[in-house]
Order: sequence, then C-alpha cells, then structure tokens
Amino acid sequence: RKEVEQDPGPFNVPEGATVAFNCTYSNSASQSFFWYRQDCRKEPKLLMSVYSSGNEDGRFTAQLNRASQYISLLIRDSKLSDSATYLCVVTPSGGYNKLIFGAGTRLAVHP
Amino acid sequence: DAGITQSPRHKVTETGTPVTLRCHQTENHRYMYWYRQDPGHGLRLIHYSYGVKDTDKGEVSDGYSVSRSKTEDFLLTLESATSSQTSVYFCAISEETLNEKLFFGSGTQLSVL
Repeated sequence: RKEVEQDPGPFNVPEGATVAFNCTYSNSASQSFFWYRQDCRKEPKLLMSVYSSGNEDGRFTAQLNRASQYISLLIRDSKLSDSATYLCVVTPSGGYNKLIFGAGTRLAVHP
Repeated sequence: DAGITQSPRHKVTETGTPVTLRCHQTENHRYMYWYRQDPGHGLRLIHYSYGVKDTDKGEVSDGYSVSRSKTEDFLLTLESATSSQTSVYFCAISEETLNEKLFFGSGTQLSVL
C-alpha cells in the first residue's frame, strides 16, 4: 500500500461546479498535511496547509480526518484556471524528515 | 515567486555519461532538496541539505550524489547515467524548519538514451 494515495482522476467538471478530492495516508502518526497545485509541465506550488480544525481560503476548503486518515480538498465555484493536478502531501512523525507526496489528482474544468 | 533557478532546463545524454544538475537560490534559505517526478509516482526525495556541506539521503538516492559548497548552490550529480534516471528533476527550498513549506524550481527534464 502506498503511504499516500490519491484518485488520479481526471475529474472533469463544468465551470461553477463544486468538486472534492480525498487523499488517504497510511501512517497514523503523520503530523503535517498540505495541498500543492501543479500546472501542466510546471513546478508544484503550495496551495494550502491543512489544519486539524479545517481551514478555508476563498473558494478552497481543506479538512483533516485523523480517525479515518484522510484529508480532503473542496473547491467551490470552479474556474477554468483551477484546471491542474492537486498533490496531497504528508509529513510523517518521529523525526523522519521528509515529505511524502501523493501522485496527484487531475482536475479539468470545462466551459 | 521564490528565487530558484535550475539549470539546464532540458538535457539529453547517453547511458554511462556523468551529468550534473544545478540549483541556485537567492533566498538564503537553509534547506535545499532534490526531487524526481515520474508518471504515476509522487515526487520522491533524492537528497537534501540542511546547510553548507551538510547533506543526507532521501528515499531514492542510489546512483546520485550531491554537493553544497555555498548556501545558494546545490548540485545533483549522476555519476553514470542510466535510462531509469530519465525523469523530471525538481529542486526545492525551505526557509527555517526542515520540511516546512517548499518552494520549487522550474524543473529539469533529463532524458538518458
């Protein structure tokens, strides 16, 4: 089992739709969680951190469910410019210092 | 955007030849990383550095070496390139805490024929 798993998609949605992605992680002691966004043939960029209490940034909402070991990303009112691959990232605990990246979920927003 | 420059942006080389990729930052960040990205895989850490001359291995370090002689430069060397090292290579930096939010360079597409 991969340490971080994501549905690769693609998720094809019309403009204005609400779309949600989940990401599961295997290490229950994982401490930090992030969503990164990667445009085609570009570098990943941090979209948002994921806090235990959940957090929102404009149209984007991130949630953490420790009991079920998953994080989610909700995008409301999708824009064409949201088309990208969304990478789930987890930091293990115990001083094992490296981020673990999921392979990403591709989102395609169409007119 | 963070000041990170990778060079070259593209490279084609032959099996068995040495290759060096360069990452240069203007942010004076302490931590620097080299990742590779392959289809169907998440980014995988090759090596990282936590200071000048201080480096450590990541999960896919076999066949790679690194050096950091100055804060701003982090070099990745493939001593003898193999076709399995065909990949996109990303350099990243973080400011204070290891594994804090990363800023990535634009990547190097390496093809080993």
